[in-house]
Amino acid sequence: GESVGLHLPTLSVQEGDNSIINCAYSNSASDYFIWYKQESGKGPQFIIDIRSNMDKRQGQRVTVLLNKTVKHLSLQIAATQPGDSAVYFCAENYGGSQGNLIFGKGTKLSVKP
Amino acid sequence: ETGVTQTPRHLVMGMTNKKSLKCEQHLGHNAMYWYKQSAKKPLELMFVYSLEERVENNSVPSRFSPECPNSSHLFLHLHTLQPEDSALYLCASSQDRLQAGGEKLFFGSGTQLSVL
Repeated sequence: GESVGLHLPTLSVQEGDNSIINCAYSNSASDYFIWYKQESGKGPQFIIDIRSNMDKRQGQRVTVLLNKTVKHLSLQIAATQPGDSAVYFCAENYGGSQGNLIFGKGTKLSVKP
Repeated sequence: ETGVTQTPRHLVMGMTNKKSLKCEQHLGHNAMYWYKQSAKKPLELMFVYSLEERVENNSVPSRFSPECPNSSHLFLHLHTLQPEDSALYLCASSQDRLQAGGEKLFFGSGTQLSVL
């Protein structure tokens, strides 16, 4: 069925290293993808998005890569900082009559000082 | 501060109680949503309102009753809940409905609900 999943539930990195969080999606009709960050006690916060007509998009210290051939999405965080510790969700928008975002389960990123 | 405020932050209720969750958005958005976030499960869409009209109800039990009196306020009325309803309830808003993609959701901090 249609689903968005994450390869790794937890990821631990050293401060200053780069982080890569992966996400698989199954709906080839999805045309828009978003990464959210959720810190403890807070709601998800938008990080970066990408449309299906692109394969890479960069933000401030973050890069999203989209591989439509294998239906794979990744979030790269450069020079990871303690403030990056959070749960990261990918979401896909497959449109449809009403439109909806389908969220993955999330990957918990822990940054070691 | 995301511009979406939810109250209360925490709520404990018995199975026979009636309570309401409140959400207010200060972003001038036209669409508002209720999501449920349970441990170890993805975010689940419950209700969608666009311009104060409910446009989607994702097969949510009738013990959850939404209300959208205007485009800035959204309520979730709760009655005779079950312990399995314990979860974080998140309100979100977007400029317009998520139809064509490109719309971003802005979330509140949620209400952590415990049903005893």
